[in-house]
Amino acid sequence: AQSVTQLGSHVSVSEGALVLLRCNYSSSVPPYLFWYVQYPNQGLQLLLKYTSAATLVKGINGFEAEFKKSETSFHLTKPSAHMSDAAEYFCAVRTGGYNKLIFGAGTRLAVHP
Amino acid sequence: EAGVAQSPRYKIIEKRQSVAFWCNPISGHATLYWYQQILGQGPKLLIQFQNNGVVDDSQLPKDRFSAERLKGVDSTLKIQPAKLEDSAVYLCASSLDQKPNQGYTFGSGTRLTVV
Repeated sequence: AQSVTQLGSHVSVSEGALVLLRCNYSSSVPPYLFWYVQYPNQGLQLLLKYTSAATLVKGINGFEAEFKKSETSFHLTKPSAHMSDAAEYFCAVRTGGYNKLIFGAGTRLAVHP
Repeated sequence: EAGVAQSPRYKIIEKRQSVAFWCNPISGHATLYWYQQILGQGPKLLIQFQNNGVVDDSQLPKDRFSAERLKGVDSTLKIQPAKLEDSAVYLCASSLDQKPNQGYTFGSGTRLTVV
């Protein structure tokens, strides 16, 4: 069965610092991987997705993620954090079969001045 | 294009009462999903529809939860009777079809508090 593990439920960075949010997946078949962001009292918004094309995926708001099959990872990065990046971030893997999204537990990102 | 619409945004009920949530997906999206997001956790799929048929309801507590998608468009999710542990945000999402390379578009959710 597919699953996603997000390391670190809370991450805090300074404004302008590198953002690194970690995601490891487990899948018996080539996965489709996604990162979503959730701002307070809102639904989830798609940041980026990996669909077996380029291993380095660029998304919205300056975020990118790299698919590393050997490490079963899909970490999310942003070179310079902005205050507006403070939110909760979810990594998700899509299964075969009925193709439902399976989410990790989420990482809450705090950005301080 | 208009997004996924959900109502109500907030609902507070007493345990053992019933409640219903409504979702209107993006026009033309054949696949509709209901997720439950408990505070501090990632969303968990409750039920998935393809048009008006159920594709996956393996995680739906069928003794108290029910859902329907009449005419393959709008959907309602009902809880009867509610328990304290049902307090969560209920998210509706839709996608054009079931192709695995697609992300979902989510609504803003309904926050349910059971007291």
